[in-house]
Amino acid sequence: AQSVTQLDSQVPVFEEAPVELRCNYSSSVSVYLFWYVQYPNQGLQLLLKYLSGSTLVKGINGFEAEFNKSQTSFHLRKPSVHISDTAEYFCAVNTGSGNTGKLIFGQGTTLQVKP
Amino acid sequence: EPEVTQTPSHQVTQMGQEVILRCVPISNHLYFYWYRQILGQKVEFLVSFYNNEISEKSEIFDDQFSVERPDGSNFTLKIRSTKLEDSAMYFCASKQGRTEAFFGQGTRLTVV
Repeated sequence: AQSVTQLDSQVPVFEEAPVELRCNYSSSVSVYLFWYVQYPNQGLQLLLKYLSGSTLVKGINGFEAEFNKSQTSFHLRKPSVHISDTAEYFCAVNTGSGNTGKLIFGQGTTLQVKP
Repeated sequence: EPEVTQTPSHQVTQMGQEVILRCVPISNHLYFYWYRQILGQKVEFLVSFYNNEISEKSEIFDDQFSVERPDGSNFTLKIRSTKLEDSAMYFCASKQGRTEAFFGQGTRLTVV
């Protein structure tokens, strides 16, 4: 069965500092990987996705992530965070193997950007 | 930009009552989903719907739940005889194919 582990429940960081939010997945087949962001009292917004091709993917708001198949990881990074990046971040996977395409989410990581 | 819309944004209901959560997916999408997020927990898959039938459902999605696409545009989740533990944020999502899913803003269901 597929699963997603986000290794940090909370990540406090100062404004303009770099940040990495870690995500590991388990799956026996090829995967599609996603990062979603949830701002307070809002829905889920796609940050970026890996479907195939280049393992380094760039998303909105200056975020990027690298797919590492050997380490089954898909860590999210940003070189310089802003106060407005404070939110909950979810890593998600689906197998892309012709199934229904449901997403399996990690537990989420709360990014707290401090001034 | 097309978006998934959900109504109502917040629903309060008494325990034992039935509720219907409504969603309008993006018009050319083919796959439809409901997810649930209990406060402070992760987002959980409930059910997927394709070609006018359920394609997959989770263990959570028991006989208390049902989904329907009554008119080709709306996609509803019905919860019968609500329980306190059904209190959660419910998200509708849709996608076109093997691409990303687009989520609505969610309906916060509070069972009292």
